[in-house]
Amino acid sequence: EVQVVESGGQLVQRGGSLRLSCVASDFIFRTYGMDWVRQAPGKGPEWISYISSGGSAIYYADSVKGRFTISRDDGTDSLFLQMNSLRADDTAVYYCARDKSPSRPYGLDVWGQGTTVTVSS
Amino acid sequence: DIQMTQSPSSLSASEGDRVSITCRASQSIGDFLNWYRQKPGKAPDLLIYGSYILQSGVPSRFIGSRSGTEFTLTINGLQPEDYATYYCQKSDSAPLLFGGGTRVEI
Repeated sequence: EVQVVESGGQLVQRGGSLRLSCVASDFIFRTYGMDWVRQAPGKGPEWISYISSGGSAIYYADSVKGRFTISRDDGTDSLFLQMNSLRADDTAVYYCARDKSPSRPYGLDVWGQGTTVTVSS
Repeated sequence: DIQMTQSPSSLSASEGDRVSITCRASQSIGDFLNWYRQKPGKAPDLLIYGSYILQSGVPSRFIGSRSGTEFTLTINGLQPEDYATYYCQKSDSAPLLFGGGTRVEI
């Protein structure tokens, strides 16, 4: 079954760091762009980052630019999100998602179940 | 920055009804508009991409259309599993902004 599974979410103090991971299965990971999307409690989804196939193109939402870093390891079919300088408004469920485009963010057709990040103040 | 305005924020409908949800972009985004359905406690599911294109496996009762910068998701014959929240998302360029959502209730 084509799927992505996130891990790494936990309770962290304001100003702290966290690294989220996402492992893909049953598709050729290296040929797809990948995204991170988050959803705060009771709010709509917020797209936060994209990395292209091969990693040459990376995009961030303004809300995380300079604090979060997206990366990928095609050898282990894994996607990562390094989150630094965490703030209370980063509290959310974080989803890893496969993008329909290998070269730029376009649309998200496979989503994980999400991993919860809680930033305490 | 482009703004995405979705309406209505909620609606009530009965099983079998035709339902329409609208998303308006503040400037041209071409056909670069996606629609998702999100059930409570679950991740969103892609329904329509490129304004009109039905995602593989999605029932044909979901139809996407466009008129200029106004986009519409129509559900023909609402089913029990369609009671959910729907989001539009622009996909012309980063950031891939989502609309505010439309909750479809009984």
